[in-house]
Amino acid sequence: EAQVTQNPRYLITVTGKKLTVTCSQNMNHEYMSWYRQDPGLGLRQIYYSMNVEVTDKGDVPEGYKVSRKEKRNFPLILESPSPNQTSLYFCASSSGGNKTPYEQYFGPGTRLTVT
Amino acid sequence: AQRVTQPEKLLSVFKGAPVELKCNYSYSGSPELFWYVQYSRQRLQLLLRHISRESIKGFTADLNKGETSFHLKKPFAQEEDSAMYYCARPYPGPRATNKLIFGTGTLLAVQP
Repeated sequence: EAQVTQNPRYLITVTGKKLTVTCSQNMNHEYMSWYRQDPGLGLRQIYYSMNVEVTDKGDVPEGYKVSRKEKRNFPLILESPSPNQTSLYFCASSSGGNKTPYEQYFGPGTRLTVT
Repeated sequence: AQRVTQPEKLLSVFKGAPVELKCNYSYSGSPELFWYVQYSRQRLQLLLRHISRESIKGFTADLNKGETSFHLKKPFAQEEDSAMYYCARPYPGPRATNKLIFGTGTLLAVQP
């Protein structure tokens, strides 16, 4: 089944404790991105990647890191989480280029709480 | 700045009533526009895109360049339509970036 998976789905952590949220897709998509969803603010892009070893900042990259060592994986790293990073996080992928662009496939979401 | 505006945070209608979810975009050439939907406890998924002029689950959306709008409509709402709806458009720039700008979303609640 074609899908985007994220782990963990729920995470409660404390300020300053490094964490990683994994994202994996099995559709051989070039393009992957991370969003955070907050009430009243909608979806805001954190980072995106157009292909392996190619990443760039989205609209709200502060406090986050990403890597794209393999095509299928795009982990989100919070080196020193803070309470304002409490949010619902979504990973997404799409085929990129001119093939049905912009139809992004989303993961199930990771609800992160930083105390 | 390129924007997508969804003025309503919440839209509550009764089953069988018509629905219109509003979306306005800032003008930039000929935009492509999309509606994404997120049902309760499910992931966000593409509902429809203007370029295909399709009707999905009874929903349609017409691009009005004069009003820079892409409102989502359905003549008769069903309870299963209750969900969060996001309007989206691409960032201007190279097509291959696939970056989307999302609106803030409208929660549609269909009452029995």
